[in-house]
Amino acid sequence: NAGVTQTPKFQVLKTGQSMTLQCAQDMNHEYMSWYRQDPGMGLRLIHYSVGAGITDQGEVPNGYNVSRSTTEDFPLRLLSAAPSQTSVYFCASSYKGIGYEQYFGPGTRLTVT
Amino acid sequence: AQKVTQAQTEISVVEKEDVTLDCVYETRDTTYYLFWYKQPPSGELVFLIRRNSFDEQNEISGRYSWNFQKSTSSFNFTITASQVVDSAVYFCALRDGYNKLIFGAGTRLAVHP
Repeated sequence: NAGVTQTPKFQVLKTGQSMTLQCAQDMNHEYMSWYRQDPGMGLRLIHYSVGAGITDQGEVPNGYNVSRSTTEDFPLRLLSAAPSQTSVYFCASSYKGIGYEQYFGPGTRLTVT
Repeated sequence: AQKVTQAQTEISVVEKEDVTLDCVYETRDTTYYLFWYKQPPSGELVFLIRRNSFDEQNEISGRYSWNFQKSTSSFNFTITASQVVDSAVYFCALRDGYNKLIFGAGTRLAVHP
């Protein structure tokens, strides 16, 4: 099992550019989520999904879009990148119930100039 | 609303000292789970423990122990005889009926030889 994979590992964008961060898991997990990690703020939930075709907003959804067309994939789209979106992004997955721990990908370090 | 507070931003200890990381949470749900994750300098997030709201037994795993007290809404983590390899950022997290995993801001632990 590859677990949770994320691409790319690093990315530099100019303000206003768009891009998609990829996330995939091979554990047949229904629940997937995206977090951003900023110094001193822990991990903040951006969007999450409880299954294919179902997504919902987390704490900091503005500026990001998600879709879930398959169980395996959960891409995160930045529509028009801003310097405030400079962060480390983590994708995670788990079984749907609240008692299951989440498995995290290795992260994508994004810099917006 | 859900909230997790880790009041200690950074802790510095010398090897072999015991150290306790505090975690205080807020939720309106009666059924919820609490988690601790470790983020070593390499950046990945490692699951350490899960505890459900109906189980207040303390847990011990090697040098690690966890004290869950519903009366004070706390889920504290103690490392006994700390080692340099324990140096990391530690996150406490809460997952309840909203099915979102909410993290505290993290505590950075530095263990010096």
